[in-house]
Amino acid sequence: KNEVEQSPQNLTAQEGEFITINCSYSVGISALHWLQQHPGGGIVSLFMLSSGKKKHGRLIATINIQEKHSSLHITASHPRDSAVYICAVSGAGGTSYGKLTFGQGTILTVHP
Amino acid sequence: DTGVSQDPRHKITKRGQNVTFRCDPISEHNRLYWYRQTLGQGPEFLTYFQNEAQLEKSRLLSDRFSAERPKGSFSTLEIQRTEQGDSAMYLCASLGLSNEQFFGPGTRLTVL
Repeated sequence: KNEVEQSPQNLTAQEGEFITINCSYSVGISALHWLQQHPGGGIVSLFMLSSGKKKHGRLIATINIQEKHSSLHITASHPRDSAVYICAVSGAGGTSYGKLTFGQGTILTVHP
Repeated sequence: DTGVSQDPRHKITKRGQNVTFRCDPISEHNRLYWYRQTLGQGPEFLTYFQNEAQLEKSRLLSDRFSAERPKGSFSTLEIQRTEQGDSAMYLCASLGLSNEQFFGPGTRLTVL
């Protein structure tokens, strides 16, 4: 079992739909990251959180430390949101600090 | 541009050849990470540096792989005697004081 599991692996939506991507992890962490990767490879950090909830525009990320679970929500989805969304966790301390362990990614396609 | 840069962006080589990639992190970041991403998968940790010291290497990093960060600034990743299984996207990231990782655009390696 991977240390970081994402679901679903593929997600197709119509423009305007509310989208949720889930992430579960099994190790101690200092923070959880949601990343966006567009075709061509570049990765952009969307959120880094260690508790509660963060919001940026139409994106919302939540984390439940006790349940070791996080969700990324996209409200009013748009075709430009189409990308791979990756959940990653950074280690709890020592040499693991800052080192990311990644989920396998969720491929999101939003149709107009 | 003060982001993380990587060079080259694409590299095609024949099996058995040596290749070297370069990463220039954000100047004030002292931690630098190398990750590898194969098609359809999330990235995997390879190695990281704090300043010029290489503090951890993944078991994924065979003896054919070597990384350096000689002056604590840019880093190089060399692969000797490349194999087709080395074909992947090689990502570099640097860590800021906020513990947020900033990724470079990646180097896509194709071994023929």
